[in-house]
Amino acid sequence: QVQLVQSGAEVKKPGASVKVSCKASGYIFTTYAIYWVRQAPGQRLEWMGWINAGNGNTKYSQKFQDRVTITRDTSANTVYMELSSLRSEDTAVYYCARALNWKPNYFDYWGRGTLVTVSS
Amino acid sequence: EIVLTQSPGTLSLSPGERATLSCRASQSISSSYLAWYQQKPGQAPSLLIYGASSRATGIPDRFSGSGSGTDFTLTISRLEPEDFAVYYCQQCVSSWTFGQGTKVEIK
Repeated sequence: QVQLVQSGAEVKKPGASVKVSCKASGYIFTTYAIYWVRQAPGQRLEWMGWINAGNGNTKYSQKFQDRVTITRDTSANTVYMELSSLRSEDTAVYYCARALNWKPNYFDYWGRGTLVTVSS
Repeated sequence: EIVLTQSPGTLSLSPGERATLSCRASQSISSSYLAWYQQKPGQAPSLLIYGASSRATGIPDRFSGSGSGTDFTLTISRLEPEDFAVYYCQQCVSSWTFGQGTKVEIK
């Protein structure tokens, strides 16, 4: 069965960076894309970026363009999302989700989420 | 950016009742690019409906979706105890955006 297993909760200070991992199993890793979506307290779900796990191409939301980097390791079936210059507003649950590499591309499987807390 | 607005914010109903949730887009979108997700407390969202009206794998037929253009609806014909949750609509025609959610709570 398809599973996306995310790394554990993180506590970071303002200005620091965080790197969250998402390990995929149960399907051919390189045939799908992995997206990152975050959910801040009281806010709607927000798309951050995605990576084509096959060719490594990425696309980022303009909001996060300057601070987010998504990479993948095909030997480990794992995708990483790194967010830099953290501020308190980045406190949120970060989800990875699987989707096709072409539209319409819905998120059919999700990781359980990683809570990132930014606090001094 | 396409903004999705869901209504109502909260729906208070009893088990066995019918739930009707609305999602309005700021501009017309093809129904192929509209999905609905369910999120229970402490869990990730899960895909319910895609293409506005197609149920995802394993989703019971009490869930149905409809609509076109700017107005879309999720209907739960008879609420089961496990259906009390937050529901989000999402579009993927222009980037990926979500509505703010509708909470279906037990009356």
